[in-house]
Amino acid sequence: GQQLNQSPQSMFIQEGEDVSMNCTSSSIFNTWLWYKQDPGEGPVLLIALYKAGELTSNGRLTAQFGITRKDSFLNISASIPSDVGIYFCAGRSSGTYKYIFGTGTRLKVLA
Amino acid sequence: EAQVTQNPRYLITVTGKKLTVTCSQNMNHEYMSWYRQDPGLGLRQIYYSMNVEVTDKGDVPEGYKVSRKEKRNFPLILESPSPNQTSLYFCASSFGTSGSNEQYFGPGTRLTVT
Repeated sequence: GQQLNQSPQSMFIQEGEDVSMNCTSSSIFNTWLWYKQDPGEGPVLLIALYKAGELTSNGRLTAQFGITRKDSFLNISASIPSDVGIYFCAGRSSGTYKYIFGTGTRLKVLA
Repeated sequence: EAQVTQNPRYLITVTGKKLTVTCSQNMNHEYMSWYRQDPGLGLRQIYYSMNVEVTDKGDVPEGYKVSRKEKRNFPLILESPSPNQTSLYFCASSFGTSGSNEQYFGPGTRLTVT
């Protein structure tokens, strides 16, 4: 099945640094979602994007729906220790109810 | 409390022994879905349901069955489990038949097939 290419696979950063990650797809999507998963738990939705070019913020998190509709970006500003976890992107194409998830970015924050 | 519940949370079974993982949501959501999560592969959609009696295959449906007889429940059935179905399984639900809205995930079921 189709997979999204999500990068980087993992990141080690210092507390207070900004973080960027992205997802690219070979298909056009009309919905992009960003999730965070903590150990032993299910993913939790962070940001949902529904329009090409859309830029949406949720606290220190900002995500963008790429203008080509084949990519999306997530930025975290001024990282803190509780940002540790795995971040997933997910996309859905028009005319389908199936979601495709990225392989995840594992973030570790060093205090 | 609004939530998605899954049972059991952990299961160890043997090849070929039929099992069912239950999923229930109390939010009156139309859309429900099952995913499996494997290292390095992210989450892959197994089956989804847009409403009662309406189900469709995701990306990896082989070896699985689902049913949606009631709005709140969406069980995942493995008729003859095999070791390659050892995985972490998540159920999710959301408002609307498109699933575009926020998907709430359950806590996961860790299945081991020996």
